[in-house]
Amino acid sequence: QKEVEQDPGPLSVPEGAIVSLNCTYSNSAFQYFMWYRQYSRKGPELLMYTYSSGNKEDGRFTAQVDKSSKYISLFIRDSQPSDSATYLCAMSGGNQGGKLIFGQGTELSVKP
Amino acid sequence: NAGVTQTPKFRILKIGQSMTLQCTQDMNHNYMYWYRQDPGMGLKLIYYSVGAGITDKGEVPNGYNVSRSTTEDFPLRLELAAPSQTSVYFCASSQFFSGSYEQYFGPGTRLTVT
Repeated sequence: QKEVEQDPGPLSVPEGAIVSLNCTYSNSAFQYFMWYRQYSRKGPELLMYTYSSGNKEDGRFTAQVDKSSKYISLFIRDSQPSDSATYLCAMSGGNQGGKLIFGQGTELSVKP
Repeated sequence: NAGVTQTPKFRILKIGQSMTLQCTQDMNHNYMYWYRQDPGMGLKLIYYSVGAGITDKGEVPNGYNVSRSTTEDFPLRLELAAPSQTSVYFCASSQFFSGSYEQYFGPGTRLTVT
């Protein structure tokens, strides 16, 4: 079993839709949870960062962490064509070296 | 600041050839990483470094070597290239601060081994 599981999609939605992206994980030591966005042929960039459980909101983006279920989500409200990208979840247990474990990434396409 | 820079952007190697992928960061970060990304497979950690002179293996180190003689540079060496090393390679850096593990990524090197 992989430490982090993420549905690779692809996911196609119409502009304005609410998008839900999810990851599950097996390592209960994970405490730091991140979502990275990667545009085609570019390097990933940090989108959202959450420590431990709870919600975090930033504009149209909301990140949720449920440690009891080992499940994290990213919601995108009022999705835009510019949101079309691959979204990668990443996690860390706070180990030395700041190593992150990444999910496979979900490819999202928002159609005008 | 340029952030994390990588050279070359693209490279085609023949089986058995060797090459070095260059990575430089100008943010004075202690931590640096090399990943490979295969289609639909996310990012796999090859090697990482917590400071100059200190390196350690990640999840997929076979066929690669690294060195870290300065804070800024973290080159990745491929010896005896194989088709299985065809991938996109990303270098990243980070500086643990107030619980943040944000990693800053370079633009990537697309490598094809034929």
